[in-house]
Amino acid sequence: DTAVSQTPKYLVTQMGNDKSIKCEQNLGHDTMYWYKQDSKKFLKIMFSYNNKELIINETVPNRFSPKSPDKAHLNLHINSLELGDSAVYFCASSQNRGRGGTGELFFGEGSRLTVL
Amino acid sequence: GQQVMQIPQYQHVQEGEDFTTYCNSSTTLSNIQWYKQRPGGHPVFLIQLVKSGEVKKQKRLTFQFGEAKKNSSLHITATQTTDVGTYFCAVRNYGQNFVFGPGTRLSVLP
Repeated sequence: DTAVSQTPKYLVTQMGNDKSIKCEQNLGHDTMYWYKQDSKKFLKIMFSYNNKELIINETVPNRFSPKSPDKAHLNLHINSLELGDSAVYFCASSQNRGRGGTGELFFGEGSRLTVL
Repeated sequence: GQQVMQIPQYQHVQEGEDFTTYCNSSTTLSNIQWYKQRPGGHPVFLIQLVKSGEVKKQKRLTFQFGEAKKNSSLHITATQTTDVGTYFCAVRNYGQNFVFGPGTRLSVLP
């Protein structure tokens, strides 16, 4: 059983298209995240959701819209894709230390997005 | 905002040599985590340090949190080819979210 699973693993698309990446965690965690890893391997947080509520929204273009239908799912929708959106997008989850967890992040395997 | 530096950016070692990466923050931290990402893989949690001056060991890996809680180090004794990957520190100052350092990419020559 994969703890944090993302689909699709690979996505190749044209500029201007709209695409979605889905994420599910079966760990019972209360917080989920989206991270972007660029070609230089920098890991940058994009969004954080706690119990379906948006906690963090870093300086991300509003073309990116996260949606959390329930605690176990956090999807990422991207409109009007641009070349600079090419990256690996990682979903992660954690259970806060104050709520019986350790605070460590469990990452999905990543979704590699290539915009042509 | 939170500034996190890691040095070195890259390290090439011969198998059997030791390796150390350092993580430095511009602000006092509540805790720090270390992650390892194998080539083509995803970051995997290694350890969390919370107390000032804390030292933790995992087999050949030794993690240390500075006395001032502004820096940390990861030391690997007698590297093996399985140690190849990028090592990230992730820091949090009180109440904030984790911010990842730029990582140290380790290659081990057999």
